[in-house]
Amino acid sequence: QLVLTQSPSASASLGASVKLTCTLTSGHTNYVIAWHQQQPEKGPRYLMKVKSDGSNNKGDGIPDRFSGSTSGAEHYLIISSLQSEDEADYYCQAWESGTVVFGGGTKLTVL
Amino acid sequence: VQLVESGGGLVNSGGSLRLSCAASGFSFDDFSLTWVRQAPGKGLEWVSSISSSGSYTFYADSVKGRFTISRDNAKNLVYLQMSSLRAEDTAVYYCTKEAYTEIDYWGRGILVTVSP
Repeated sequence: QLVLTQSPSASASLGASVKLTCTLTSGHTNYVIAWHQQQPEKGPRYLMKVKSDGSNNKGDGIPDRFSGSTSGAEHYLIISSLQSEDEADYYCQAWESGTVVFGGGTKLTVL
Repeated sequence: VQLVESGGGLVNSGGSLRLSCAASGFSFDDFSLTWVRQAPGKGLEWVSSISSSGSYTFYADSVKGRFTISRDNAKNLVYLQMSSLRAEDTAVYYCTKEAYTEIDYWGRGILVTVSP
């Protein structure tokens, strides 16, 4: 069974970069992972998908500061030049046999 | 792309409610659609998905046998019929569009509150 694991929290300073991690269950490789952002008191927004070769496809209007990568079972969301509005919950998501799987989310604090 | 949910509200435990989602801005009958919920203060939980034709449906174990997803491709609508509702079904329910392996659009969400 596919499980996505995320650290509950992360923090970084304004203007800095941060890398959020989503780890897939052992043995699960070659999955497309999507990342979603949920700002406080708002609904989620699709950021991008990251394919197993590391290529990214971003959603509408997502700035270049957001990028994704992968290494084995680990998938990363990298946010550079952090801004205050990047303070949000970030969820990774995968698809398996008709079902959608979410990670538990990482709460990002911008210091 | 727009996804607009309706039909939420307050219902007693054991009761029923039907959510609707009106979709526009894309070729509706080419894509699967999914309901995702978020309980207060909690993370995102997948609820149910339906294939583009409506022939295939999938449910989370937590709602299997109680919820039914359906769609009307002529009207660009997707539904979630919820019955035998429990307090733990209280959540904001989001209608989402799938792009084969990922959700790429979200509705604004609608609140369902189940009174114990």
